[in-house]
Amino acid sequence: IVLTQSPVTLSLSPGDRATLSCRASQSVDTYLAWYRQKPGQAPSLLIYNADTRATGVPARFSGSGSGTDFTLTISSLEPEDFAVYYCQQRRLWPPITFGQGTRLE
Amino acid sequence: QVQLVESGGGVVQPGWSLRLSCEASGFMFSIYTMHWVRQAPGKGLEWVAAISFDSNEEYYLDSVKGRFTISRDNFKKTVSLQMTSLRPEDTAVYYCAKEVRNTNGVVDNYFDSWGQGTRVTVSS
Repeated sequence: IVLTQSPVTLSLSPGDRATLSCRASQSVDTYLAWYRQKPGQAPSLLIYNADTRATGVPARFSGSGSGTDFTLTISSLEPEDFAVYYCQQRRLWPPITFGQGTRLE
Repeated sequence: QVQLVESGGGVVQPGWSLRLSCEASGFMFSIYTMHWVRQAPGKGLEWVAAISFDSNEEYYLDSVKGRFTISRDNFKKTVSLQMTSLRPEDTAVYYCAKEVRNTNGVVDNYFDSWGQGTRVTVSS
């Protein structure tokens, strides 16, 4: 299953609302996760099963969608949110697949 | 707290072999499927391999099938990736990753803990 993220780059300011998209080449039901990767660090899990926040993730992060179209929303950007974001599906694996990433700058 | 510490990376020539290891602590290692995920320089994330909690099932990315072997030792709390016939396109940071336990207590195929990564460079 191919995941396509858009936009490739998103330019915003602290305090702005960010909306990131992930589209699957076939239905993944709600078996989709979102990760944030800060420079020089491993990714960290934000959202899984489309809309469930992982432990310790701030409430400004929310996920929605089902089937082939998904959205990650960050309600008010903090400085640490400027990073690369990946979506990941586990509906049909192997292989587990990731999107190509959205850079939030 | 959960810790995953990878080791074994390095610079090798095409065709050579390398063995990566990941030491786990801070969680019940023996109940989790464990994964390796890689990231080529300046690129995105690519899932590589996984092994079930009891070692009965192994899963691989097509491009590494037959060249890479994943294994685990639940007593030592380690997961390894034996890489043979390495190619330049295998150059990447390799991460060990643990699956999440969801709100129902069920382990699910998303990754809530990652190691710091170990760098593998394949170049002549």
